[in-house]
Amino acid sequence: AQSVTQLGSHVSVSEGALVLLRCNYSSSVPPYLFWYVQYPNQGLQLLLKYTTGATLVKGINGFEAEFKKSETSFHLTKPSAHMSDAAEYFCAVSAASGSARQLTFGSGTQLTVLP
Amino acid sequence: GAVVSQHPSWVICKSGTSVKIECRSLDFQATTMFWYRQFPKQSLMLMATSNEGSKATYEQGVEKDKFLINHASLTLSTLTVTSAHPEDSSFYICSAREWGTDTQYFGPGTRLTVL
Repeated sequence: AQSVTQLGSHVSVSEGALVLLRCNYSSSVPPYLFWYVQYPNQGLQLLLKYTTGATLVKGINGFEAEFKKSETSFHLTKPSAHMSDAAEYFCAVSAASGSARQLTFGSGTQLTVLP
Repeated sequence: GAVVSQHPSWVICKSGTSVKIECRSLDFQATTMFWYRQFPKQSLMLMATSNEGSKATYEQGVEKDKFLINHASLTLSTLTVTSAHPEDSSFYICSAREWGTDTQYFGPGTRLTVL
């Protein structure tokens, strides 16, 4: 079984400030980890993913995330927030292989960027 | 990048009618497609997993006779909401997993309003 916990349903940062969105997961098998972004009334767009290899993953729009197995975390960061980053962000986990390869989503974090 | 389309993007129907939503992978083949439901300010809930050429696998609590899923080809899956009622009003999102990878690409969603 897999689960994802996103700490903080709402995060506010000033434009130009560091963005940090937290994600912790639990998985009984090696996980694949994903971050998606959702703008109002739209589907989800993949920001980045971790499958194997390098634990620091770089994605689109300047975002990156680091897989820390010892902490079961996959936090999303961006050095400098932009107004266009305001959106809902979802962390998700799937099993690396086998029948349990569906995505399990966290509850989401709404990011607000203040001018 | 991989693109998934959904049609229609929004639909309003009367109670008791049926509504069909199409999900297409435009530039890749998807042996597996997923259907999600999202309520306002909430995360995505997986409704069913659709495999090309076979019956869909429904999540617990999802009525398979109410939410009919057909995955007729490697690029098309349909969700039919039968005898829709106001409680079926929601945002329905599909995703397609690209064959050979573990990445799901999401459609833009369909807003269903049942009057």
